[in-house]
Amino acid sequence: QITLKESGPTLVKPTQTLTLTCTFSGFSLSTSGVGVGWIRQPPGKALEWLALIYWNDDKRYSPSLKSRLTITKDTSKNQVVLTMTNMDPVDTATYYCAHKVVVAAHFDYWGQGTLVTVSS
Amino acid sequence: EIVMTQSPATLSVSPGERATLSCRASQSVSSNLAWYQQKPGQAPRLLIYGASTRATGIPARFSGSGSGTEFTLTISSLQSEDFAVYYCQQYNNWPTFGQGTKVEIK
Repeated sequence: QITLKESGPTLVKPTQTLTLTCTFSGFSLSTSGVGVGWIRQPPGKALEWLALIYWNDDKRYSPSLKSRLTITKDTSKNQVVLTMTNMDPVDTATYYCAHKVVVAAHFDYWGQGTLVTVSS
Repeated sequence: EIVMTQSPATLSVSPGERATLSCRASQSVSSNLAWYQQKPGQAPRLLIYGASTRATGIPARFSGSGSGTEFTLTISSLQSEDFAVYYCQQYNNWPTFGQGTKVEIK
């Protein structure tokens, strides 16, 4: 059974760096073809993909946010970490991590999400 | 960037009726198209992938069709638990989502 769970601060100040952790079970990021992505959703708005990391450490970023994002993995801890620099109130959103396989175009398992508010 | 446009923004349907949701891509995405259902306070749930394949455990009343730039999600007979927001998503160079269609009770 695949599960994912996001963790991190619920409140960050403008200009600060956000660090979110996705802890997962039921699969390994050392298995060929496996990946984990991050997607966010501002309140009442649509989903926006942020970043992806695959088993071979191949990393992909949203072109519009690439300069602010870093995604890493810790295979031994079954974790994926996303950092986003220079946070702004417009970055207030629920942040999700999700499982993906490289040969597929979709995210098949999602975490419950974590709401991050950016405010001074 | 491939832009996904969903229509309508809101669809009012009576229980038991058929619902047809549309998703258009700004350029061809072949069959690399997925549909998700999202209820308030919940994460998105995968319904359809590869444009027409139902995900595990998804009832047969949900069906997807299309390829290239035009896609459709059909719910054949709406149940009370189907009232939600539906998103399409493509993956060409990177994933992009549509803005969603809210299916509400008429």
